[in-house]
Amino acid sequence: DGGITQSPKYLFRKEGQNVTLSCEQNLNHDAMYWYRQDPGQGLRLIYYSQIVNDFQKGDIAEGYSVSREKKESFPLTVTSAQKNPTAFYLCASSSQGTLVWNQPQHFGDGTRLSIL
Amino acid sequence: AQSVTQLDSQVPVFEEAPVELRCNYSSSVSVYLFWYVQYPNQGLQLLLKYLSGSTLVKGINGFEAEFNKSQTSFHLRKPSVHISDTAEYFCAASTGTASKLTFGTGTRLQVTL
Repeated sequence: DGGITQSPKYLFRKEGQNVTLSCEQNLNHDAMYWYRQDPGQGLRLIYYSQIVNDFQKGDIAEGYSVSREKKESFPLTVTSAQKNPTAFYLCASSSQGTLVWNQPQHFGDGTRLSIL
Repeated sequence: AQSVTQLDSQVPVFEEAPVELRCNYSSSVSVYLFWYVQYPNQGLQLLLKYLSGSTLVKGINGFEAEFNKSQTSFHLRKPSVHISDTAEYFCAASTGTASKLTFGTGTRLQVTL
């Protein structure tokens, strides 16, 4: 079955450490997205990519970095500059790669990041 | 900037009762609207979408929503809920050009016997 796989499901970060969250999709979608979910705040966009080797900052990109070297993969690195990284991180993809946000997004099951 | 407001953070309801989850958006231009459902520790799943055409949209699991342009609303309804409908529901909107998808803060639907 086609879908989005996020790993790991749970992740712990030590102070001063960078961690990378994996997101892989086999839906042949052009666009991919990273969201952060905090209780009572809904989803906030961190980064998005509409084509390989290109990505744009979302609303809360500070302290995060991404790469898009392959169509199927869009890893997110939470750097030590992100002072409050504890959250639920969701990766999504959609079929439209152009600047049109009317395509429904398909979500992975998320990674829960906590601080040790 | 575009915004999406879900007025109710929690909605308790008895099984087999009807339910309405409210969503209002702010946009003076054409808008695309979505409802997603999230079960515990899972990602979001699309329930339904409004892009254009008929203002009454039917989705999965017996849910439907009505687009009301004059009231800038897109309320989600189900005539008879089931225990398995217990989840968090998110409304989202986009103006479709270079505008990103904006999510509401979510409504927790709690269905009890």
